[in-house]
Amino acid sequence: NAGVMQNPRHLVRRRGQEARLRCSPMKGHSHVYWYRQLPEEGLKFMVYLQKENIIDESGMPKERFSAEFPKEGPSILRIQQVVRGDSAAYFCASSRGSYNEQFFGPGTRLTVL
Amino acid sequence: DAKTTQPNSMESNEEEPVHLPCNHSTISGTDYIHWYRQLPSQGPEYVIHGLTSNVNNRMASLAIAEDRKSSTLILHRATLRDAAVYYCILRDAVSGGATNKLIFGTGTLLAVQP
Repeated sequence: NAGVMQNPRHLVRRRGQEARLRCSPMKGHSHVYWYRQLPEEGLKFMVYLQKENIIDESGMPKERFSAEFPKEGPSILRIQQVVRGDSAAYFCASSRGSYNEQFFGPGTRLTVL
Repeated sequence: DAKTTQPNSMESNEEEPVHLPCNHSTISGTDYIHWYRQLPSQGPEYVIHGLTSNVNNRMASLAIAEDRKSSTLILHRATLRDAAVYYCILRDAVSGGATNKLIFGTGTLLAVQP
């Protein structure tokens, strides 16, 4: 059973460009979570999604950030008009159910020039 | 979510047991105690969780105090691969989907010496 897959693993963008981060959950998992880890800081929750629904977006910045988990295909975290402060490692996790353990992907390391 | 307190760092020697403490004095009756770890340049990894009784799995053991105000993650024989940041996290089992998020503190950075 393949683990959580994230791509790209590394992404470089210039200020003002868009960044799209993809996450394919483990087989059989319908719950997806996004976390961000800024340099020298801890992991912070961003958003929790189930298929086609955003359940909790309390950790998402109010502007420029959006997430989706369509019926078919991977979950997407989209960052519009990136700024240098968006440079971070973005981790996706998935779980089978609401209270099951979360399995994390290897992360996407975003660098904004 | 109730907060946890962990030492910033610990050291261990390879092949020796490691006891990683966690204090959670404001834990509620429905909070599960979860442990995750993050190896360098990797995503976090689930280690173990429990409610009241001590738990064992292939990775570690979890010892929970009788009053549940503290717990200890036990690695029976540390290896170099166990060097990581270990996070102790409380998760409420009955509050519904909105609290599924994991709230990571600063964790304990475990260094393992050969």
